[in-house]
Amino acid sequence: GESVGLHLPTLSVQEGDNSIINCAYSNSASDYFIWYKQESGKGPQFIIDIRSNMDKRQGQRVTVLLNKTVKHLSLQIAATQPGDSAVYFCAEIRNRDDKIIFGKGTRLHILP
Amino acid sequence: EPEVTQTPSHQVTQMGQEVILRCVPISNHLYFYWYRQILGQKVEFLVSFYNNEISEKSEIFDDQFSVERPDGSNFTLKIRSTKLEDSAMYFCASSPRTQNIQYFGAGTRLSVL
Repeated sequence: GESVGLHLPTLSVQEGDNSIINCAYSNSASDYFIWYKQESGKGPQFIIDIRSNMDKRQGQRVTVLLNKTVKHLSLQIAATQPGDSAVYFCAEIRNRDDKIIFGKGTRLHILP
Repeated sequence: EPEVTQTPSHQVTQMGQEVILRCVPISNHLYFYWYRQILGQKVEFLVSFYNNEISEKSEIFDDQFSVERPDGSNFTLKIRSTKLEDSAMYFCASSPRTQNIQYFGAGTRLSVL
């Protein structure tokens, strides 16, 4: 069915290395994508977003890449820090819609 | 930095009781949302609210649920007769515009016994 899904449930990365979290989506009508970070006991926290007319967007230490051809979204975190440990959700808002559709989440573990 | 605030942080109730979850959205935002997250699962949309009426609701948001903006600052979610399966984290979110970033509160953990 139509959904936003994640390739890996858990990702372990050495502190200081770069992290890449991947996400596949199936609805080509989606035109707005958001990455959220959720720490234990907290609500989803906005990280970065991208609209479907863009391929790449950069923030502070984070980059989102959108490949519409294969319906793939990725989040790259540079120089991963202990504070980056969290569950990361990709999410989409479909065309003419307003609700966020969340994926299942990837847990990022930072190894010392 | 403005934030969405939710109260209480944890609500324990008996099955069949009514609960009201409260949210104060970011002050200049116009669009309001409730989501829920059952333990270990993904966040699910419940309802969106704009201009004092529901814009959209999911299949989860049945007649037991209602939302209200009783004044200029609060946004509430009421569950009229709670069921065991209503146990979850409930998140409120707000946004200044449609199709835009939604800012989430820390959530209310609802435990139905």
